[in-house]
Amino acid sequence: EVQLVESGGGLIQPGGSLRLSCAASGFTVRTNYMTWVRQAPGKGLEWVSIIHSAGSTYYADSVKGRFTISRDNSQNTLYLQMNSLRAEDTAVYYCARAFREVGEYYFDYWGQGTLVTVSS
Amino acid sequence: QTVVTQEPSFSVSPGGTVTLTCVLSSGSVSTTNYPSWYQQTPGQAPRTLIYNTNTRSSGVPDRFSGSILGNKAALTITGAQAEDESDYYCALYVGGGIWLFGGGTKLTVL
Repeated sequence: EVQLVESGGGLIQPGGSLRLSCAASGFTVRTNYMTWVRQAPGKGLEWVSIIHSAGSTYYADSVKGRFTISRDNSQNTLYLQMNSLRAEDTAVYYCARAFREVGEYYFDYWGQGTLVTVSS
Repeated sequence: QTVVTQEPSFSVSPGGTVTLTCVLSSGSVSTTNYPSWYQQTPGQAPRTLIYNTNTRSSGVPDRFSGSILGNKAALTITGAQAEDESDYYCALYVGGGIWLFGGGTKLTVL
């Protein structure tokens, strides 16, 4: 059974840093595309970042230069390092697997999310 | 800056049919944008409904269907039920490794 469990959220002051984790089971993070999606309170979904199986990484303009996506193959875990946090980064952060094969590309499994609150 | 636009809200009667759309500001939506649709109820994680334009995820009732209508991606619910009252989001791959979500449509069934 595929499971994604996020952790690491919490209350952080503006300008601070936080690292989110997403522990995967039922599949291998290293051989899949993995993504982070966030949702500010009362707002819609916003795509944040993706890491391809080959290691390429991509970011939304809103987080480029501040956030870094990575993975630990030995732990089968995805990470999101968030630096220089702003109030507008306050959101529930979801990790998801991005299923990618020829002719297919979509987010198929989602975690339950972890809340990040940026406030003084 | 490219944006994806959805109707903010829609209402449908039980048993009725509704089509939600997904517009790409930079041009027409095509299959190469890999349109997908996600359903979300308050406090829950998104659930994948439709992917690759028109493929239903496992366990999704066949009253949900996806398509491309003209220059837009579309999600049609035929025979809406009370439990379909949710927020619906489309996602499009816009190239260069980047995905975009639409702003979501709040569907009311009444």
